[in-house]
Amino acid sequence: EAGVAQSPRYKIIEKRQSVAFWCNPISGHATLYWYQQILGQGPKLLIQFQNNGVVDDSQLPKDRFSAERLKGVDSTLKIQPAKLEDSAVYLCASSLVGLAGALTDTQYFGPGTRLTVL
Amino acid sequence: AQSVTQPDIHITVSEGASLELRCNYSYGATPYLFWYVQSPGQGLQLLLKYFSGDTLVQGIKGFEAEFKRSQSSFNLRKPSVHWSDAAEYFCAVGVYNQGGKLIFGQGTELSVKP
Repeated sequence: EAGVAQSPRYKIIEKRQSVAFWCNPISGHATLYWYQQILGQGPKLLIQFQNNGVVDDSQLPKDRFSAERLKGVDSTLKIQPAKLEDSAVYLCASSLVGLAGALTDTQYFGPGTRLTVL
Repeated sequence: AQSVTQPDIHITVSEGASLELRCNYSYGATPYLFWYVQSPGQGLQLLLKYFSGDTLVQGIKGFEAEFKRSQSSFNLRKPSVHWSDAAEYFCAVGVYNQGGKLIFGQGTELSVKP
């Protein structure tokens, strides 16, 4: 079974530029998560989708970050404009079931995209 | 507010020695608890999880964890560490009224010396 795919794996940009990350979850997984992991810290949830609807985006900096999950499959996360403090690894995860069982179901993580903002 | 604390940022153990990684949580109800491992350049992999029942949970790769409600702890253990266990370990608590949101601790980096 293929895992969660993410691209690109690495990205270096200058501040105020834009960047986009792509995630392809495991086939059939209803729930998709984007986490931000700053160096030396644990992952922090940015946004959670169930199918193509947003469940939780309370920690997404909406003035600069946006995310979408068209057709309930792939997802993109965009930063525009980027700031120095956005340097981090962006992890995508997916789980099989919907809200009712989301917590008991295993979240499978992709390898992440390492973003460096200069 | 829910939170997870991993008091040890970095631990070094000798190969073959036992390991215990500490995790303390703050949560107002019965917690859902997880341990994940992250190897360099890799995503997080679930080691084990606790929802209810037996407080001693067995996971993959020979790891186990014990839930102690009185101490608000969920420590990870392994009786004999292998060099391949060197990685970063994250404890997390699940918030089940927010659709499966995980709150992670800051991680413990494990080094294994020969």
